[in-house]
Amino acid sequence: ELKVEQNPLFLSMQEGKNYTIYCNYSTTSDRLYWYRQDPGKSLESLFVLLSNGAVKQEGRLMASLDTKARLSTLHITAAVHDLSATYFCAVDRSNTGKLIFGQGTTLQVKP
Amino acid sequence: DTAVSQTPKYLVTQMGNDKSIKCEQNLGHDTMYWYKQDSKKFLKIMFSYNNKELIINETVPNRFSPKSPDKAHLNLHINSLELGDSAVYFCASSQDSAEAFFGQGTRLTVV
Repeated sequence: ELKVEQNPLFLSMQEGKNYTIYCNYSTTSDRLYWYRQDPGKSLESLFVLLSNGAVKQEGRLMASLDTKARLSTLHITAAVHDLSATYFCAVDRSNTGKLIFGQGTTLQVKP
Repeated sequence: DTAVSQTPKYLVTQMGNDKSIKCEQNLGHDTMYWYKQDSKKFLKIMFSYNNKELIINETVPNRFSPKSPDKAHLNLHINSLELGDSAVYFCASSQDSAEAFFGQGTRLTVV
């Protein structure tokens, strides 16, 4: 059974600092996604990673995928308060569209 | 225009009642999903329909029945509601099992 684990589950950081969220998954997978969720809101797609070594960047966020290590990272550069949210990684193991989510990482950026 | 829309946004009901949540997508996607997010923010897939055909049916009580009248709609009917059914239910859609787009969620509270 595919399992997806994120760490840390909670991250409190100061503005301007850098940090990385890790997403490990237990079996080979073809697709990995990162989503953002603000409190009481929907899930917003951030990144789609489809191949080993894939790296995508949007603003202060950068995501990467290492399929051999079964690891994806979401790196935050010079955090700002607006990045405060819960971040989920999700894996689609067999291209079925069935997403297995990690537990989510709640990021709190303090001024 | 909202891409994936759900109604209602909030639903408060008594134990034992039957309720439905409606979902519509205007993205032209071929696959629609229902996900459940519990109080700890954990997201789990419940059902998936592809062109009105059920393709994923996770271990969900029989009290939950999805219905897809056409490719753009996927409704969720819940019979004999229980306290443990309280959660946020998200509808989502995707094309060819690619990145999923989520609705705004329906917060169901069973009292």
